[in-house]
Amino acid sequence: GNSVTQMEGPVTLSEEAFLTINCTYTATGYPSLFWYVQYPGEGLQLLLKATKADDKGSNKGFEATYRKETTSFHLEKGSVQVSDSAVYFCALSDRTNAGKSTFGDGTTLTVKP
Amino acid sequence: SQTIHQWPATLVQPVGSPLSLECTVEGTSNPNLYWYRQAAGRGLQLLFYSVGIGQISSEVPQNLSASRPQDRQFILSSKKLLLSDSGFYLCAWRSQGWTNTEAFFGQGTRLTVV
Repeated sequence: GNSVTQMEGPVTLSEEAFLTINCTYTATGYPSLFWYVQYPGEGLQLLLKATKADDKGSNKGFEATYRKETTSFHLEKGSVQVSDSAVYFCALSDRTNAGKSTFGDGTTLTVKP
Repeated sequence: SQTIHQWPATLVQPVGSPLSLECTVEGTSNPNLYWYRQAAGRGLQLLFYSVGIGQISSEVPQNLSASRPQDRQFILSSKKLLLSDSGFYLCAWRSQGWTNTEAFFGQGTRLTVV
């Protein structure tokens, strides 16, 4: 079946540091890939997505590139802010009618001023 | 625009009591609907999904059940709660047939079984 493996956390960075959160996946066929962000006590919201190989998703300074050859979708940001502190989830969606998503375990990011 | 409502936000229930969590979606029709559970410090576990009224698929055997009495209403229930049912429950929807679109999540319900 499908699976998503995320870099284990927690990750603690200083403001303006470079961020990388690794994500690799296993899937049959060609899934769509997503990064979601969860702020404390809230639901998940989409951060960015990519629907085919070599696509780059980007939003709010975050980027991730769909790498089919390495089955990866690593999240990066050049300069993190305190407000980026949250839990980040990598996910893929199954190309069936139900569109079920498979999520990684989440990576907690804390950015210190 | 589409919105998703989930309630209550927090719930403390004794062991053995019943449970009913409700989720409604506005601004779309015939969505795929999902219930997830998130244990503390863990990822999301898909509990149930539905592709239409009365159509429920269960992903894991458990003490919970789900129902979809209306197109945009999804209910998570239990007849008798267990301590292990504690967690953060999230409802989500996605446009049916479009697997390259994201899922939209409710704000979640924090359930504590005591």
